[in-house]
Amino acid sequence: AQKITQTQPGMFVQEKEAVTLDCTYDTSDPSYGLFWYKQPSSGEMIFLIYQGSYDQQNATEGRYSLNFQKARKSANLVISASQLGDSAMYFCAMREYVYTGANSKLTFGKGITLSVRP
Amino acid sequence: NAGVTQTPKFQVLKTGQSMTLQCAQDMNHNSMYWYRQDPGMGLRLIYYSASEGTTDKGEVPNGYNVSRLNKREFSLRLESAAPSQTSVYFCASSVRTGDQPQHFGDGTRLSIL
Repeated sequence: AQKITQTQPGMFVQEKEAVTLDCTYDTSDPSYGLFWYKQPSSGEMIFLIYQGSYDQQNATEGRYSLNFQKARKSANLVISASQLGDSAMYFCAMREYVYTGANSKLTFGKGITLSVRP
Repeated sequence: NAGVTQTPKFQVLKTGQSMTLQCAQDMNHNSMYWYRQDPGMGLRLIYYSASEGTTDKGEVPNGYNVSRLNKREFSLRLESAAPSQTSVYFCASSVRTGDQPQHFGDGTRLSIL
């Protein structure tokens, strides 16, 4: 079963508007973390934001915020005031522990393509 | 600040040839990772090294071997390349496994003919 689900088709947003990119996850581990990465057309992976399962408040980093709804197992990325440079592929990833408290690894979703229109 | 450096950036191999992808980080990170990215599949973990001297299998380890040469370097070897290994390979590092973000190299685009 997929642990990270990103099912939106290519997303389009008008410059300066806000956009929400969806991510749902599946885990039975009470301790986990959720990451969002951006991959522009140049190919590099850029870390955007992190939310831990025990964090009380939704994470924010500049124009990025994470709408974390634990009961629904969703961790949607909100980009405010979209810019042309936000056009990229966006990946949601979940951190789970491999062994009890020892190591952990990331599982990535398949990504969502965002295009910002001028 | 170089961050994570991967070499080569591009490579074409014939089926059956062997190759080692190199990765080095200068951030004094303990943990390093190798991923492959295929169209429509996202990134999948091949192998990782939680700390110097240790390596563990990820989701898709078959056909690959790794070596954590020292704290800085983590190499990925294809012993007998197959067309199914055509992919973009990313190396990443983090302070440790867990809540720390992973920092990625620019990727190696590998084609197996």
